[in-house]
Amino acid sequence: DAGVIQSPRHEVTEMGQEVTLRCKPISGHNSLFWYRQTMMRGLELLIYFNNNVPIDDSGMPEDRFSAKMPNASFSTLKIQPSEPRDSAVYFCASSLEGRAGNTIYFGEGSWLTVV
Amino acid sequence: AQRVTQPEKLLSVFKGAPVELKCNYSYSGSPELFWYVQYSRQRLQLLLRHISRESIKGFTADLNKGETSFHLKKPFAQEEDSAMYYCALRGSSNTGKLIFGQGTTLQVKP
Repeated sequence: DAGVIQSPRHEVTEMGQEVTLRCKPISGHNSLFWYRQTMMRGLELLIYFNNNVPIDDSGMPEDRFSAKMPNASFSTLKIQPSEPRDSAVYFCASSLEGRAGNTIYFGEGSWLTVV
Repeated sequence: AQRVTQPEKLLSVFKGAPVELKCNYSYSGSPELFWYVQYSRQRLQLLLRHISRESIKGFTADLNKGETSFHLKKPFAQEEDSAMYYCALRGSSNTGKLIFGQGTTLQVKP
């Protein structure tokens, strides 16, 4: 398996523009996570899906952020409108929940810069 | 509340010196504890999990429930160990999500 695949790897956009980050989890995994990494706050969980259903979105910063998982092999994280403080690395991760000792696997991240 | 604390943002040691990266947690039940490593501009990779009680790349970590700690140790640091290390916790309810500490950057000098 190619692992968790994220796109784009790098994005530079202007303030106010819409940003869409994409994620393909590992085939067969039933849980998907979006994390944000910044120097100030480290790794923060934004939202967590299980079987395509959002289970915990308490980490989503505000209404400008939205996430969807229309099927088991695809998820998006959208920021509209984007702001400079959204600049961060956004990681998608997936796991097979329900098994004892399941491991969460991370993608390579999407590096977002909002200018 | 679930919380993971890594008190050191940066740990700098010389090659061959022992390393201990500290991790303390707060959780009322029986958590699973993990160490993830992130090499420069790469994805996070699982290094260790407490239930496996294994040694990976010479690193070990023991869960101390009395002290609520899960410190990462290596007797002799190598330059290739330089990376960011994150301690993470998953609650016993097994909701799946990991709560991460702030991370510690390990710098191994030649």
